[in-house]
Amino acid sequence: GESVGLHLPTLSVQEGDNSIINCAYSNSASDYFIWYKQESGKGPQFIIDIRSNMDKRQGQRVTVLLNKTVKHLSLQIAATQPGDSAVYFCFPGNFNKFYFGSGTKLNVKP
Amino acid sequence: DTEVTQTPKHLVMGMTNKKSLKCEQHMGHRAMYWYKQKAKKPPELMFVYSYEKLSINESVPSRFSPECPNSSLLNLHLHALQPEDSALYLCASSQGYAAGGISSYEQYFGPGTRLTVT
Repeated sequence: GESVGLHLPTLSVQEGDNSIINCAYSNSASDYFIWYKQESGKGPQFIIDIRSNMDKRQGQRVTVLLNKTVKHLSLQIAATQPGDSAVYFCFPGNFNKFYFGSGTKLNVKP
Repeated sequence: DTEVTQTPKHLVMGMTNKKSLKCEQHMGHRAMYWYKQKAKKPPELMFVYSYEKLSINESVPSRFSPECPNSSLLNLHLHALQPEDSALYLCASSQGYAAGGISSYEQYFGPGTRLTVT
């Protein structure tokens, strides 16, 4: 079966610091990868995505890195803000597979 | 309008009740999804509809019955549920399903229905 895990289930960072959230996946057939953010009481919200033929993609304050060799995905958040506090899920997908990673809770300390 | 709406927000039902969850989107998306999420766990896929046809059923018990009356609406009919079915039920939609192009895979989620089975 699918195995999608995270190295750190909970991450606490100081406001203004950079955050790095990691995700390991096992399905080598995954060809697109999405990071979602889920705030308390809300549904997941799209943050950024990356296709398997890329190794880096940048958005506003966020960067996703993909290493297909070791099946590893990371989300970097620059200058973390209190509003970034949430659970972050990776989503390695392909044709008909829709599995979320186990999630990392990000706590931003003021 | 980039919103997926779900009703009701909260639902408490007994094990002998019949109820329905509703989901609506007006983004012209042709794929719609039901997920179940337990506390502190990731969402788990239940069903996928593509062009109003059921494409994926993740071996969900028959006490959950999905319905897609048209391209904007998705229902989940509930009957004879068990207490362990208590969870947050999330609806999502996407532009396409395996339609090519990464933008078609991004799913827009509703806020969910918090279901409690007593």
